[in-house]
Amino acid sequence: GIQVEQSPPDLILQEGANSTLRCNFSDSVNNLQWFHQNPWGQLINLFYIPSGTKQNGRLSATTVATERYSLLYISSSQTTDSGVYFCAALTSNDYKLSFGAGTTVTVRA
Amino acid sequence: DADVTQTPRNRITKTGKRIMLECSQTKGHDRMYWYRQDPGLGLRLIYYSFDVKDINKGEISDGYSVSRQAQAKFSLSLESAIPNQTALYFCATSDQTGGVDTQYFGPGTRLTVL
Repeated sequence: GIQVEQSPPDLILQEGANSTLRCNFSDSVNNLQWFHQNPWGQLINLFYIPSGTKQNGRLSATTVATERYSLLYISSSQTTDSGVYFCAALTSNDYKLSFGAGTTVTVRA
Repeated sequence: DADVTQTPRNRITKTGKRIMLECSQTKGHDRMYWYRQDPGLGLRLIYYSFDVKDINKGEISDGYSVSRQAQAKFSLSLESAIPNQTALYFCATSDQTGGVDTQYFGPGTRLTVL
């Protein structure tokens, strides 16, 4: 199946800072999603973004499908942004999302 | 997401016991999934179901079984629990409305096998 790699594995931010998380995938995708897992374990879907750019408040994401990567941008980070961010991808030949190992983000006040 | 519920939320059991985790959804989605998450790892798919009569193994189905009792219900069973099945288990749903297949997760069940 498709391989999904996320970087960096850990990120420590001061409140108010901006950051970029990266997701590389090994094959062409028709489904690419970003999730946030909060410190209580709940998983929230942030973006469905197999290509192009989307924005939702202080978060935005860009997927460059031809180069097989996606970026998640966090601007003006807040402590509530802490948690683990997962990227997950699906190819046209598969039926299951493959998840990366995640980026753990800690935002300090 | 409150539209996907899991019971129990926490469970401690002993090796060899049979355990059932239940998932219900009110989103009206046809597709349902069971994942497990281990510390430092992403989510791995155990089983998935695209409709009531469709059950498929995921990447780590050994030691697990599932039942899709209705469109809204998908349960996961551990026939004889073992300690390395200690993990956080998630149920998820999705559909393909408008060609967009977004997954929505339940709150998770934290299972400890002693």
